Amino acid sequence: DTAVSQTPKYLVTQMGNDKSIKCEQNLGHDTMYWYKQDSKKFLKIMFSYNNKELIINETVPNRFSPKSPDKAHLNLHINSLELGDSAVYFCASSQGTGLQEQYFGPGTRLTVT
Amino acid sequence: AQTVTQSQPEMSVQEAETVTLSCTYDTSENNYYLFWYKQPPSRQMILVIRQEAYKQQNATENRFSVNFQKAAKSFSLKISDSQLGDTAMYFCAFTGRGSTLGRLYFGRGTQLTVWP
Repeated sequence: DTAVSQTPKYLVTQMGNDKSIKCEQNLGHDTMYWYKQDSKKFLKIMFSYNNKELIINETVPNRFSPKSPDKAHLNLHINSLELGDSAVYFCASSQGTGLQEQYFGPGTRLTVT
Repeated sequence: AQTVTQSQPEMSVQEAETVTLSCTYDTSENNYYLFWYKQPPSRQMILVIRQEAYKQQNATENRFSVNFQKAAKSFSLKISDSQLGDTAMYFCAFTGRGSTLGRLYFGRGTQLTVWP
């Protein structure tokens, strides 16, 4: 019954590793997002996909690469992890790219040591 | 650039009392939505209430209501009859139809603690 789910919920890894976070939504939405919440709890958008097409790509290092295999899934792959990547990453979805509320997943807490 | 400002990093209120959280925003757009999201210790982001800029009537959801002042670019959240479960970080957010389309811009949050 979970609307927007993310796996894993917690991820601890070492600097230099590559990791992925997966997101799935069962709301039938056509737009999905990745947000980053830093240690001071500030939330900022990273990417957005509409019908598997990238429509928002904020100023994010190239080490971050989103992939959307279909409308219901949006994954985030991070190469060569750095200490500064430690954060909570939220996936969200909405119907359309207009003035719609976004529904968030439970977040993935990434800790890079 | 769109900015959302929450000037109260922390607030506290006694159970059953009323509390108001402040939010101001800056935008040149005319058509936009404003939201309040709640993030309890579980970390889940939960939509509390939304306001469409072209609607003059303030939105209400049970114990939650907003005071939307478009000219002043102010969007405060009032929580009536506060409950212990209202303890959470509250974020004000903005999305517009122009260059901000699809992006939610968040304030830095207000940590609300409800005391018994």
